[in-house]
This record gives sequence, structure tokens and C-alpha cells, in this order.
Amino acid sequence: SQQGEEDPQALSIQEGENATMNCSYKTSINNLQWYRQNSGRGLVHLILIRSNEREKHSGRLRVTLDTSKKSSSLLITASRAADTASYFCATDEIQGAQKLVFGQGTRLTINP
Amino acid sequence: DGGITQSPKYLFRKEGQNVTLSCEQNLNHDAMYWYRQDPGQGLRLIYYSQIVNDFQKGDIAEGYSVSREKKESFPLTVTSAQKNPTAFYLCASTANNEQFFGPGTRLTVL
Repeated sequence: SQQGEEDPQALSIQEGENATMNCSYKTSINNLQWYRQNSGRGLVHLILIRSNEREKHSGRLRVTLDTSKKSSSLLITASRAADTASYFCATDEIQGAQKLVFGQGTRLTINP
Repeated sequence: DGGITQSPKYLFRKEGQNVTLSCEQNLNHDAMYWYRQDPGQGLRLIYYSQIVNDFQKGDIAEGYSVSREKKESFPLTVTSAQKNPTAFYLCASTANNEQFFGPGTRLTVL
């Protein structure tokens, strides 16, 4: 089952600009996570936000969570060419086993 | 180095053959997972194991089998019953809700 849906599917911006990606989900969750995937590689964990948190920061990353709208956003500030990758949100359902459900991802391209 | 290793990186097989993908972790994690990723798509869960000698089907288990005889190892067999096995396969283990991924195996069926 696909829980998270990212928007947009693809995003292309100039280096130095901010990039915002959105994720929507369907069921109640314990937490929501964002992962990054470089082409042809495994995923790397970026940040986890719990259902009782509204905003979290990590370096140039800012994540928000709105449980009333069942949505989250990932903001990357002052983007760099090395930020080019696919970004996925993942949720774990409150009544589910210890497993994550991933969205289809946003393909981010940073143009130098 | 601590982490998750997958082998081989690339695998080519003829249609109708069973193939086994290796996944090993030295992170001492109890839970391990197998995902399939098709081009431009997200991850879909094939099987997962929360403890040794126990595993559960994910969303797309048909045509796949797994074993979990050791904590460190969670091999995935792609059987001939899997109709469209060409894909990128990712293994992961988890601690504190965070998943740690291996580098993946790209399987191509000729």
C-alpha cells in the first residue's frame, strides 16, 4: 500500500534557491521521515518528525508536519548541486507493524 | 565499518531461473526488510523480519521467498513465479524507527 504521495514529482531550481517538497498521507501515524536517494544508490535517512511535533530543523533542512491535514513538507535552503537526488517521505502507521510505507518521491535537480 | 552490505551489485539471470540476493548487516539490528524499486518509483515492501526465525509478507511478496536463520543475514530469493523480476532491490535494517539501507542489487532478467 502506498501511503505517502510526494508533490511535485520533479523539481528543477537554480543553485542557491530554496527547494520545497510536500508529502501527503492517509492514515494516522507515529512519525514521518524523509530520506534521500542518489541515482542508483540506497536511501539515506535525513530527518524524523514525530506526530506530536510540528517543525524540526537539521542543518539546511526544515521539516514541518500538519497532522490535521495529514501532510508534511521538506524545505532545503540555499540549495547546492550536490543536493540533486530523489527525496522520499515515509510513514509508519500507528496500528501497523514496525515497517515504513514510502511515497513515490520527488526528483530534485539543482542547476549550477 | 558498520553497515549493510548487499551482493552482488548487478545480477543477470535467464527467465525461469531462481536467484538469491544477499543482505548482511553488522549493526546488531533485529529488524530487516527487503524492498523493490522500479524506475522512477518509490519503494515497495516485499518481506520483513522483526526477529530471527520469523518473517512476514509485505505488500508484494508473491514470487519471492526469504529466510532469517541468523540475525546478521536476510537473503531474498526471486523465484521463477515472479512474473516481472527486473528491478532494483534494496535491503534495510532498522533501529529507533530509522532505516539503514544497503547499496542495492540491480537484477535484470534476460
